[in-house]
Amino acid sequence: SAVISQKPSRDICQRGTSLTIQCQVDSQVTMMFWYRQQPGQSLTLIATANQGSEATYESGFVIDKFPISRPNLTFSTLTVSNMSPEDSSIYLCCVESWGAEAFFGQGTRLTVV
Amino acid sequence: GENVGLHLPTLSVQEGDNSIINCAYSNSASDYFIWYKQESGKGPQFIIDIRSNMDKRQGQRVTVLLNKTVKHLSLQIAATQPGDSAVYFCAERSGNDYKLSFGAGTTVTVRA
Repeated sequence: SAVISQKPSRDICQRGTSLTIQCQVDSQVTMMFWYRQQPGQSLTLIATANQGSEATYESGFVIDKFPISRPNLTFSTLTVSNMSPEDSSIYLCCVESWGAEAFFGQGTRLTVV
Repeated sequence: GENVGLHLPTLSVQEGDNSIINCAYSNSASDYFIWYKQESGKGPQFIIDIRSNMDKRQGQRVTVLLNKTVKHLSLQIAATQPGDSAVYFCAERSGNDYKLSFGAGTTVTVRA
């Protein structure tokens, strides 16, 4: 299985600021995704990070709020912009290759105050 | 819309007993299913998967059963241990769509 390093593991941020979360994989992967898990809830897909092109966003998520980069096959970033307390969640990086099982990073626990 | 959901939000199990966690899905095109375990403060951990051309798959102390007729998936944990206490999620995807859809999650608590 892929080893996924997600940074930071947690942060407390002021409202109105932005936070960039990094996801680094130890091997090349086909697909990289970003999920959000609100407190006590299940996982919701934010977007698919596409290498060298704009991410594909799910309904309810927009690029201005959650800009995503994926410059190569092993790295992606998710930015949570202009944060409000409603953005307090766990943000998770997920990777998979060639339709095989999907693996998750440890998550970034974000608290907005 | 179509979704994946769990029948019970919580499950309390005596240590040593077997656990059964259920999941219902509604997308008839779903052809790949995964069970994840999420411990407090951690990301979801892959447990076992099954494709739609199978009815049963076994791992170490875990078995996944798939009933495509009634669109039902279950995870059985044998001889449940305290370390099995966690939230368990089922997830599904269909065809060439690599996105996973997750169920609501079942919290399993193991009693000593």
